[in-house]
Amino acid sequence: EAQVTQNPRYLITVTGKKLTVTCSQNMNHEYMSWYRQDPGLGLRQIYYSMNVEVTDKGDVPEGYKVSRKEKRNFPLILESPSPNQTSLYFCASSARLGTDTQYFGPGTRLTVL
Amino acid sequence: AQSVSQHNHHVILSEAASLELGCNYSYGGTVNLFWYVQYPGQHLQLLLKYFSGDPLVKGIKGFEAEFIKSKFSFNLRKPSVQWSDTAEYFCAVGNNAGNMLTFGGGTRLMVKP
Repeated sequence: EAQVTQNPRYLITVTGKKLTVTCSQNMNHEYMSWYRQDPGLGLRQIYYSMNVEVTDKGDVPEGYKVSRKEKRNFPLILESPSPNQTSLYFCASSARLGTDTQYFGPGTRLTVL
Repeated sequence: AQSVSQHNHHVILSEAASLELGCNYSYGGTVNLFWYVQYPGQHLQLLLKYFSGDPLVKGIKGFEAEFIKSKFSFNLRKPSVQWSDTAEYFCAVGNNAGNMLTFGGGTRLMVKP
């Protein structure tokens, strides 16, 4: 079954404690993206990757890091989380970014205290 | 920079009412247009998309959208909504180069039985 998986689904942490949210896809897609969803603001792109070892900033990259060492994985790293990063995070993958269907993961709800 | 506006943040309808959700975008080049839906507790999934050709696009579950180039709009419609259409709807715009995708702020639809 074609899918994008994310872990964990829920996470409560404290300010400054580094965390990683994993994302994996099994569709051999070139593109992978991270979004955050906040009420009234829709989905805003954090980072995206066009291929292994190729990443670029989206609209709201501050406070986040990503890596793409393998085609199927695209982890999101928060080195020093802050309360304004409390949000719902989605990973997505697609063959291309602006022309093909995005396949989304189930989301990770992060709370930073 | 590209942007996408969804003017209706919250819409409440009774079953069998007709639906139209607005989406306007700002982008100087050729665009690809998408509507995604997020049912409660689920991840986003594609409802329909427009790349070229007939500006009236039909999607799943009886939804359709019309691309009006002169108005930079891609409004979503459904003649008769059902309770199961309760969800959040996102319009998105991508470019032909395949490296840009921008989402609108979302419209939360509630259908009363």
